[in-house]
Amino acid sequence: DTGVSQDPRHKITKRGQNVTFRCDPISEHNRLYWYRQTLGQGPEFLTYFQNEAQLEKSRLLSDRFSAERPKGSFSTLEIQRTEQGDSAMYLCASSLTRTGQETQYFGPGTRLLVL
Amino acid sequence: SQQGEEDPQALSIQEGENATMNCSYKTSINNLQWYRQNSGRGLVHLILIRSNEREKHSGRLRVTLDTSKKSSSLLITASRAADTASYFCATGLLSSGSARQLTFGSGTQLTVLP
Repeated sequence: DTGVSQDPRHKITKRGQNVTFRCDPISEHNRLYWYRQTLGQGPEFLTYFQNEAQLEKSRLLSDRFSAERPKGSFSTLEIQRTEQGDSAMYLCASSLTRTGQETQYFGPGTRLLVL
Repeated sequence: SQQGEEDPQALSIQEGENATMNCSYKTSINNLQWYRQNSGRGLVHLILIRSNEREKHSGRLRVTLDTSKKSSSLLITASRAADTASYFCATGLLSSGSARQLTFGSGTQLTVLP
């Protein structure tokens, strides 16, 4: 399967712990996005990378959140000192810059529950 | 914040009927995309319509876009039970520097009864 993959699919953690999620985009895609989705809502943009450069961050991305894409391929999203309000689905998407009308392809998401 | 709003929030129809969902947005856009999400899963891209297009078809899907009214509709014809899912519209904004992120509405939950 050559789609976007995310790991883990589910994560349960206690408040105050750190968690890290991984996203592997479609191999030739140069852009990678992170979104967060809470129950009953649409996804909200967090940040995006073009190759290894993080080009945009949402105000939703507090200091406790950090994302990396060290070699321009996979990306990690780390949440430090998790809070119950961080419980959500974290979605990764990738796209290929071509015509400017790019389609973002989403992974299955990582569902985080903070107890 | 959510850029788009889907209407209705929930829709229940019988198999074989057509389903129409609407989306309204607030700012100028580069394109508008529709996605489907099955419960607890990732999003599946359905169709992209550019700001200079008015209508687009893909299989049983028909999307219209009215930029003067800042609205779009998604029509699913001859619905099937497998179409049961949440449907989201997402806009790619026109403003430079922000054109990469998608801004999603809160979705329409479609239930197709067998």
